[in-house]
Amino acid sequence: QLVESGGDLVQPGGSLRLSCAASGFTFSGYWMIWVRQAPGKGLEWVAHIKGDGSVKYYVDSVKGRFTVSRDNAKNSLYLQMNSLRAEDTAVYYCVRETSWSFDFWGQGTLVTVSS
Amino acid sequence: QSALTQPPSASGSPGQSVTISCTGTSSDVGGYNHVSWYQQHPGKAPKLLIYEVYKWPSGVPDRFSGSKSGNTASLTVSGLQAEDEADYYCSSYAGSNHWVFGGGTKLTVL
Repeated sequence: QLVESGGDLVQPGGSLRLSCAASGFTFSGYWMIWVRQAPGKGLEWVAHIKGDGSVKYYVDSVKGRFTVSRDNAKNSLYLQMNSLRAEDTAVYYCVRETSWSFDFWGQGTLVTVSS
Repeated sequence: QSALTQPPSASGSPGQSVTISCTGTSSDVGGYNHVSWYQQHPGKAPKLLIYEVYKWPSGVPDRFSGSKSGNTASLTVSGLQAEDEADYYCSSYAGSNHWVFGGGTKLTVL
């Protein structure tokens, strides 16, 4: 199970930290991903992090503003989002990667960036 | 990296087959066999249907099948059922440690 939390209404330029609690599998053995979906729009890959946290990748539009991290002792994934923009408004999904695909999804948490 | 191109809508009657295309470039769909497909019902999280172009995760019926030719991947839904009405997204590894999704196709069961 993947359970996201931390979504909220935040002003442009503000910060937010999303969390994802994982259970039911060996969390440290998997790459984990954040995927977002703007209201009424399609899916967008946001960030990837390796099982041990040593490697991270980001979509260009969030580089320098978002940081993905994990705490394997707590079976938790995080997304620190700074300098938020209106276009970051979306449901953010915590997702497990297996075999180059995204096989296990959380229910999502809504981030709204608006003044 | 640009989004993969999917038709915005598709439709079919119960029992029929429908194919949804996903067109990319030689840098993503054409360059790797890392194409996957997802089904999303309204208000729900996406669900993995197909991975590595044509493979089924456990629990997914074989009415869903995937293929690829050149820069275009396809998802075929056979024996359409009412519960297949949903949005469908393709995804591909795009090189340089990036992944890309398609814009989504809304499947209507008539």
